Amino acid sequence: LAKTTQPISMDSYEGQEVNITCSHNNIATNDYITWYQQFPSQGPRFIIQGYKTKVTNEVASLFIPADRKSSTLSLPRVSLSDTAVYYCLVGALSLISGGYNKLIFGAGTRLAVHP
Amino acid sequence: EAGVTQFPSHSVIEKGQTVTLRCDPISGHDNLYWYRRVMGKEIKFLLHFVKESKQDESGMPNNRFLAERTGGTYSTLKVQPAELEDSGVYFCASSQVGGGPGANVLTFGAGSRLTVL
Repeated sequence: LAKTTQPISMDSYEGQEVNITCSHNNIATNDYITWYQQFPSQGPRFIIQGYKTKVTNEVASLFIPADRKSSTLSLPRVSLSDTAVYYCLVGALSLISGGYNKLIFGAGTRLAVHP
Repeated sequence: EAGVTQFPSHSVIEKGQTVTLRCDPISGHDNLYWYRRVMGKEIKFLLHFVKESKQDESGMPNNRFLAERTGGTYSTLKVQPAELEDSGVYFCASSQVGGGPGANVLTFGAGSRLTVL
């Protein structure tokens, strides 16, 4: 199972772009990369997922280089409400069950956005 | 669409007592997962159901923990007897089965906080 490494914490200011990089050196061919956001007293919430190159949705972009050994979550123009813990997860779908083989959470990156 | 619902949100029990946590997944989601975070530690996988079958229970810490999903709808996680080290937040998540974007996305509940005194 691919282990992920992220910075423990980051600080930013409102309106700035934040990039959080995750290392997953032993990612497998069938693994997807998924990022979750978690606020205190809530469960993790899906942000974005990708397999390779770049993925963009209404809240973030995900950049994945060709070797897929890392990925970068980009949050454009952060606000105070983006203060949260961000998790990078790597995992593959089971061909048998159609669900994810167990996903491993790392320590996550605690992002603090300041006024 | 209703999300993943967990009950109770917080339970305080004494060591040796029994607690049952319940998770109602999103309707139609056959995959159901239990995770937990104990104080100061990372979120750890406990087990994975596909419908009523246990697909992977390798993360269950010991035989004091029993998870069920009768009928393939809601799931319960029973801790009996509870120990101090069981304190933490227990998260449930669900996802669709099969290919496509939905199968890759886990929707988590808010968690059930368990405090064992």
